[in-house]
Amino acid sequence: DVKVTQSSRYLVKRTGEKVFLECVQDMDHENMFWYRQDPGLGLRLIYFSYDVKMKEKGDIPEGYSVSREKKERFSLILESASTNQTSMYLCASNTLAYEQYFGPGTRLTVT
Amino acid sequence: AQTVTQSQPEMSVQEAETVTLSCTYDTSESDYYLFWYKQPPSRQMILVIRQEAYKQQNATENRFSVNFQKAAKSFSLKISDSQLGDAAMYFCVLWGTASKLTFGTGTRLQVTL
Repeated sequence: DVKVTQSSRYLVKRTGEKVFLECVQDMDHENMFWYRQDPGLGLRLIYFSYDVKMKEKGDIPEGYSVSREKKERFSLILESASTNQTSMYLCASNTLAYEQYFGPGTRLTVT
Repeated sequence: AQTVTQSQPEMSVQEAETVTLSCTYDTSESDYYLFWYKQPPSRQMILVIRQEAYKQQNATENRFSVNFQKAAKSFSLKISDSQLGDAAMYFCVLWGTASKLTFGTGTRLQVTL
């Protein structure tokens, strides 16, 4: 089975802190994605990556950056966390077969 | 730009009954994929069913089937013989340009006894 794991299920950070969210997949997928999920808004794409060291902005990249140094790992970075970044963050991966496999999510609270 | 609209924020169905979740979309692409994903409470999002736009035949997966109307840009999900385990948030998803997925806002399905 494809497995996508995320480093934390719950995270509480203070305003202004630098936050790292880690995602690892074990199926050698080329593509990896970071979304945030908010009630009434569905999932919105923050960044995605087609290959190591490649990244593309999604629909809401402001306030975020990403890093993909290894194929299996895709990190989301909040350079200076703000309260409006309190959300559920979902990582996903896939191949060209289009089906995305999702991680369990990280619920981030910024106080 | 592509859009996905789910006009039913919440739906309820009795166990063993049938329910249909609605989805409309818009895209300028001729080749795309449509999906329904399910997110159970506190559990991971999983794929329910997939439809390729070039296929006229509606996709079916056990109790789940879709009604794909390409001209009307409509993609509804029918769940037959509903079970308690079907209770979840359901997202309609479009895969089109630039290999990005566009999600609808979701429909929360309750299953009652």
